[in-house]
Amino acid sequence: GESVGLHLPTLSVQEGDNSIINCAYSNSASDYFIWYKQESGKGPQFIIDIRSNMDKRQGQRVTVLLNKTVKHLSLQIAATQPGDSAVYFCAENMGVIQGAQKLVFGQGTRLTINP
Amino acid sequence: DVKVTQSSRYLVKRTGEKVFLECVQDMDHENMFWYRQDPGLGLRLIYFSYDVKMKEKGDIPEGYSVSREKKERFSLILESASTNQTSMYLCASAGTPLYEQYFGPGTRLTVT
Repeated sequence: GESVGLHLPTLSVQEGDNSIINCAYSNSASDYFIWYKQESGKGPQFIIDIRSNMDKRQGQRVTVLLNKTVKHLSLQIAATQPGDSAVYFCAENMGVIQGAQKLVFGQGTRLTINP
Repeated sequence: DVKVTQSSRYLVKRTGEKVFLECVQDMDHENMFWYRQDPGLGLRLIYFSYDVKMKEKGDIPEGYSVSREKKERFSLILESASTNQTSMYLCASAGTPLYEQYFGPGTRLTVT
């Protein structure tokens, strides 16, 4: 079936290094892909989205890359800081299914920062 | 800033009890959602509402019901709590686009 998955469940990086979190998707009809960040004890927080007709989008210290050929999405965080420690979820917006918008979340990747 | 609040951070209930989880948002969003979050399973949609008194089933509605009497408030009801409903429950709201959702801090429910 259709799914959004993650290549690595955990990622540990040194403070100041760049982080790359990966995600695979299977529904080529999804029109947007989204990244959420969930810090400990909090609900997920929207970070950035990318439309399916784009292959790159940049935000503040974050870059999303979309490779539709291999159905792969990644989130790059530059100069990782302690405050970046969190679980990161990718999600795909699968459009309207049975009259409702369908947003499917991946399982999440835990990013830990080593001092 | 968008604020989504949930009535309780932690809740312990007994099997068979009726449980109410309340969610309030202050951004005048039409759309509100209830998810449950379990380790290894990510976020799964229970119910959502796109307008007052409107509701739609999500992926796992069994054992749950919802109520939306006012635009800012969306309630999740467990008619008869069971141990397999022990979980983290997250409420969210969204305007446009629908996928940019604002989440509350969550309610960790334990059913014993």
